[in-house]
Amino acid sequence: AQKVTQAQTEISVVEKEDVTLDCVYETRDTTYYLFWYKQPPSGELVFLIRRNSFDEQNEISGRYSWNFQKSTSSFNFTITASQVVDSAVYFCALSENSGGYQKVTFGIGTKLQVIP
Amino acid sequence: ETGVTQTPRHLVMGMTNKKSLKCEQHLGHNAMYWYKQSAKKPLELMFVYSLEERVENNSVPSRFSPECPNSSHLFLHLHTLQPEDSALYLCASSRTGATNEKLFFGSGTQLSVL
Repeated sequence: AQKVTQAQTEISVVEKEDVTLDCVYETRDTTYYLFWYKQPPSGELVFLIRRNSFDEQNEISGRYSWNFQKSTSSFNFTITASQVVDSAVYFCALSENSGGYQKVTFGIGTKLQVIP
Repeated sequence: ETGVTQTPRHLVMGMTNKKSLKCEQHLGHNAMYWYKQSAKKPLELMFVYSLEERVENNSVPSRFSPECPNSSHLFLHLHTLQPEDSALYLCASSRTGATNEKLFFGSGTQLSVL
């Protein structure tokens, strides 16, 4: 069975600090995809990044960076120089094929509060 | 604007009421999903539709009844709900339902059952 663990339920940082959100996953499949989504107060989850299980290359997009380590089953997300607009709930998710359709397992989410 | 619209945004209902949640996507996607988001719990997948056919019913109580009349619309019919059913109900869609596709979410319906 697949499982996603986000051990940090709430994090508070002061603006301009760096912050890392942890994600650890469990799966028996060799082919899978990992995602991060952001949920602002408005409610809709917004896609941030996708990684497939064969691509361990880290990625940077502006102030966001992701570190995928298959050996430790982790897919951590770092925000550099955090801003108030980064305040949201962040979800890590694992996607696998289940009976021919996409089955996505989400973590519990990490609520990030950036204090001005 | 994510292309997925949910109505109503907020709903308060008694345990004996019957109500429906509506989801509409304008993205031309073929797969649609209902998720339940409760406090301090991961998002729970409730139903999956692919090309208007239900492909997953994730052990959801029968008081929740989904309907997908076409690939653009998804409903969740509610009847005789319990207070523990109070949650944010999120609709999502993806292009074909393939494993590598990102999900597009609506803003959700915040449901309170009294």
